[in-house]
Amino acid sequence: DTAVSQTPKYLVTQMGNDKSIKCEQNLGHDTMYWYKQDSKKFLKIMFSYNNKELIINETVPNRFSPKSPDKAHLNLHINSLELGDSAVYFCASSSLGGSTEAFFGQGTRLTVV
Amino acid sequence: GENVEQHPSTLSVQEGDSAVIKCTYSDSASNYFPWYKQELGKRPQLIIDIRSNVGEKKDQRIAVTLNKTAKHFSLHITETQPEDSAVYFCAPQGGSQGNLIFGKGTKLSVKP
Repeated sequence: DTAVSQTPKYLVTQMGNDKSIKCEQNLGHDTMYWYKQDSKKFLKIMFSYNNKELIINETVPNRFSPKSPDKAHLNLHINSLELGDSAVYFCASSSLGGSTEAFFGQGTRLTVV
Repeated sequence: GENVEQHPSTLSVQEGDSAVIKCTYSDSASNYFPWYKQELGKRPQLIIDIRSNVGEKKDQRIAVTLNKTAKHFSLHITETQPEDSAVYFCAPQGGSQGNLIFGKGTKLSVKP
């Protein structure tokens, strides 16, 4: 009965490959997010979705694309992976557009070699 | 959008001392002020939060104080213990729909 789950937990892949990270929440939240956490531990917001509508799209490369098949899922697709994409990616969800507690998935450590 | 500053970026204290981390924000419409703790290799988790209708909230050894006029809020940890060692993030919210911006984090080290 995990609240926010993301898979896989670890992902090692070669430069140039395309990969996806899946995220699911069972909290009934209407907003989901993707964050990138680099080695300096900054939590940089990449995307957020509210009721299947993209409402924040930070200046991330267009190689990154969020896909939300329904309110409970927000997957992250990454094309043509680069060395600089190596980081931990966190999915999160919250309700009421963000004015409540955010729940995070366990994170996906992506290593591009 | 929200501009969030968090200080200090690193903080080292002796076990039993107090620690204070400050977060300043720019959006005067923000109305929810949480603090998250991230232990090494784990996900960020909420430890305490406050809404704009109160000035202080306490939960055992941790407390949060809010100054809406000056647009900053602070995390206070008393009688620190080694298990308090972690990275702490603030994330003021409520001003803009869907805006969930985190401060850059404060790495707290509690030495036994």
